[in-house]
Amino acid sequence: DAGVIQSPRHEVTEMGQEVTLRCKPISGHNSLFWYRQTMMRGLELLIYFNNNVPIDDSGMPEDRFSAKMPNASFSTLKIQPSEPRDSAVYFCASRQPGGDRGSYEQYFGPGTRLTVT
Amino acid sequence: LAKTTQPISMDSYEGQEVNITCSHNNIATNDYITWYQQFPSQGPRFIIQGYKTKVTNEVASLFIPADRKSSTLSLPRVSLSDTAVYYCLVVGYNFNKFYFGSGTKLNVKP
Repeated sequence: DAGVIQSPRHEVTEMGQEVTLRCKPISGHNSLFWYRQTMMRGLELLIYFNNNVPIDDSGMPEDRFSAKMPNASFSTLKIQPSEPRDSAVYFCASRQPGGDRGSYEQYFGPGTRLTVT
Repeated sequence: LAKTTQPISMDSYEGQEVNITCSHNNIATNDYITWYQQFPSQGPRFIIQGYKTKVTNEVASLFIPADRKSSTLSLPRVSLSDTAVYYCLVVGYNFNKFYFGSGTKLNVKP
């Protein structure tokens, strides 16, 4: 398997522009997570989906952020309008069905480094 | 809101055993403890998970005392390639909550 795929790997945009980050989870995984990582705040969970349904979006910083998962093999994280403080590395991760006491292992993608100028 | 606390950094030498402790005083009954490793410019990689007592796999051991308020990741005989940031993550049952530690930067010296 190719692992979790994220695109683009790097994105540079100007303040006010719309940014869309994309993620393809590992085939067969039914949970998908979006994280943001910065030096100041470390790793933060933004939102996670289970069976394509958003379960917890309490980590989404504000209404400028939105995430969708139209099917089991694709998810997007959109920022509109973008601001310089959104500059960070955004990770997508997926997890296989684990059952009641199954594995809590998440498989992370390589990340998208976003720079908003 | 439960939080996790880890040392910011640790130094070690090749061949030594390294123990990294994470404090999670408010862990709930059904929460699980997981540890991840992250190299620069890469996503975190799962190392090990546990609920209580001791868990061992091919790369590490995880020690969890009876009160579960802390956990210790043990890396046997580290090498230079183990230089990375190590995160403790407490996960709620059914993934209803996540508490990521701030990470411990391990520097292995020759």
